[in-house]
Amino acid sequence: NAGVTQTPKFQVLKTGQSMTLQCAQDMNHEYMSWYRQDPGMGLRLIHYSVGAGITDQGEVPNGYNVSRSTTEDFPLRLLSAAPSQTSVYFCASSYRQSPLHFGNGTRLTVT
Amino acid sequence: KQEVTQIPAALSVPEGENLVLNCSFTDSAIYNLQWFRQDPGKGLTSLLLIQSSQREQTSGRLNASLDKSSGRSTLYIAASQPGDSATYLCAPKRRETSGSRLTFGEGTQLTVNP
Repeated sequence: NAGVTQTPKFQVLKTGQSMTLQCAQDMNHEYMSWYRQDPGMGLRLIHYSVGAGITDQGEVPNGYNVSRSTTEDFPLRLLSAAPSQTSVYFCASSYRQSPLHFGNGTRLTVT
Repeated sequence: KQEVTQIPAALSVPEGENLVLNCSFTDSAIYNLQWFRQDPGKGLTSLLLIQSSQREQTSGRLNASLDKSSGRSTLYIAASQPGDSATYLCAPKRRETSGSRLTFGEGTQLTVNP
């Protein structure tokens, strides 16, 4: 089983560039979310979705957009990259009461 | 706003020891709580999920307890092994309808020495 797949694994951007982090899950999970992980700050929720067509903001949504056109995919868009967005990004999914499944992360550096 | 604290931040023990990792949270109105393991450079792997109506959950050498009223959970690891070396994170979930929206502690970094 593929589980939660994130691409790319690594990315370097220049300030002001835009890009999309991809996330796909093959478990038919309703719930999907994006977290960022920074030293000393733990994991913080960026955006989340409770089903196709439904998204909402998390704790740190500024500078990021999401959409959920299918159950399987939940891409995260960086509109205009800033050095403060240097982080490791994790996508996660779950089904109602089930445990949360994480992807292996995308390590992003913004110079 | 839910705040999660994990103590200790780091722990180094010899192989074979039994150990306890602590997690406290400020809002006791939770739906469930999960414990995760994270290896360096990897994503998080769910170890145990405790529903708010449960007192504890066991999986192999791992046992997690939950005292919702006091805002505490503990993860007990029996007979620790070097392969247990990782960062352990706890994450309470507020409501059933909050999707995959969890609040994470910063974790306890565990090193088990051979």
